Amino acid sequence: QVQLVESGGGLVRPGGSLRLSCVGTGFTFSDSYFSWIRQAPGKGLEWLAYITSTGSTILYADSVKGRFTISRDNAKRLLYLQMNSLRAEDTAVYYCGRVTPVKQDLLDYWGQGIRVTVSS
Amino acid sequence: DIQMTQYPSTLPASVGDRVTITCRASHSISSWLAWYQQKPGKAPKLLIYQVSTLESGVPSRFSGSGSGTEFTLTISSLQPDDFATYYCQQYSNLYTFGQGTKLDIK
Repeated sequence: QVQLVESGGGLVRPGGSLRLSCVGTGFTFSDSYFSWIRQAPGKGLEWLAYITSTGSTILYADSVKGRFTISRDNAKRLLYLQMNSLRAEDTAVYYCGRVTPVKQDLLDYWGQGIRVTVSS
Repeated sequence: DIQMTQYPSTLPASVGDRVTITCRASHSISSWLAWYQQKPGKAPKLLIYQVSTLESGVPSRFSGSGSGTEFTLTISSLQPDDFATYYCQQYSNLYTFGQGTKLDIK
């Protein structure tokens, strides 16, 4: 079955960096598109970034553009989110999500989430 | 950007109740509307996509309707497992989520 598992979260100081990873199994990783989504404590869901199967198209939300970078390694079945210049407001649970292009880029499966805390 | 307005934010209900959650888009999103269920500490789970298509394994008491800018999620007879937070999401132009509706036990 489809599984997405995030890792790499933790506590980081403001201005610091962190790289999240997401491994995907149970489906053809190299054909899939992905997104990162986050949820601040007690808040709703915010889409952050999107990447196509080859990485030819990458899109970001304005809130993270220029600070976060989405990338992937299809050989390792890994999706990444490099987060730089972190701020307190980036504190959230971060989810990777699989995007199904044949269904108009529907986000159909999500990982369990990984917590990122930005605090001094 | 497409904004999604979802209401109510909280909905007290009892087992067996029929409940409806509404989601309004700031621009037409055609039929590219999904609903997710989230339980505390868990990832959102896809329930419905393309307005009214039930994801595999989702009980038939869940249904979706609407078009253009106004959409609804209906649960025909609430079960104990349904008390959760529900989010609508447009995927017509990237992704935007509604603010969520928490189904509370009355």
